[in-house]
Amino acid sequence: GAGVSQSPSNKVTEKGKDVELRCDPISGHTALYWYRQRLGQGLEFLIYFQGNSAPDKSGLPSDRFSAERTGESVSTLTIQRTQQEDSAVYLCASSFTSGGAVRADTQYFGPGTRLTVL
Amino acid sequence: AQKVTQAQTEISVVEKEDVTLDCVYETRDTTYYLFWYKQPPSGELVFLIRRNSFDEQNEISGRYSWNFQKSTSSFNFTITASQVVDSAVYFCALSVRSGGYQKVTFGTGTKLQVIP
Repeated sequence: GAGVSQSPSNKVTEKGKDVELRCDPISGHTALYWYRQRLGQGLEFLIYFQGNSAPDKSGLPSDRFSAERTGESVSTLTIQRTQQEDSAVYLCASSFTSGGAVRADTQYFGPGTRLTVL
Repeated sequence: AQKVTQAQTEISVVEKEDVTLDCVYETRDTTYYLFWYKQPPSGELVFLIRRNSFDEQNEISGRYSWNFQKSTSSFNFTITASQVVDSAVYFCALSVRSGGYQKVTFGTGTKLQVIP
């Protein structure tokens, strides 16, 4: 089936503007993760969704960042009043949890959204 | 707390050489997963392998092999007869169950350049 998709692939915005990034997880995957990857660096966890449970927002860097997900479908990551330090690639990943299934709990990543804040 | 260390920031090898990427992890959990992901220049992270903490059996897949040693908390990745297409950033990751979900900690990555 289709993998994780993200849109837009690239976003250039001006400082102070709001942006919305979208993630379509793999069908049937109950868990969805957002990460940030600054240029030349590793992955920084932002937020996690599992089914209809309350999300784990412990990685969000400031209150300008928020995310929503309805059920086990699409998620949107919103950054308000963008700053230049928000420039990064935002990666989304999804996984399913199913006991000892071979591929359970393995995160599959989307292609990312490259955000540039001028 | 979990930690993953990839001490090699960048490695350059000549095509057909073998190369080993090191990964050392720290966790107090007895049950965990270890992963390797490849991030080619296109940017998309590609899953390579998942290893359960209870399974120390080494694995070989084509030119790729993985050496998991709990005694040294290492999960090293070897590419045999490297090719230019292997050029990418490789991430090692550790996953433990925390608060009902798999919390994943990534290393900082090793950039591999294979020179033709």
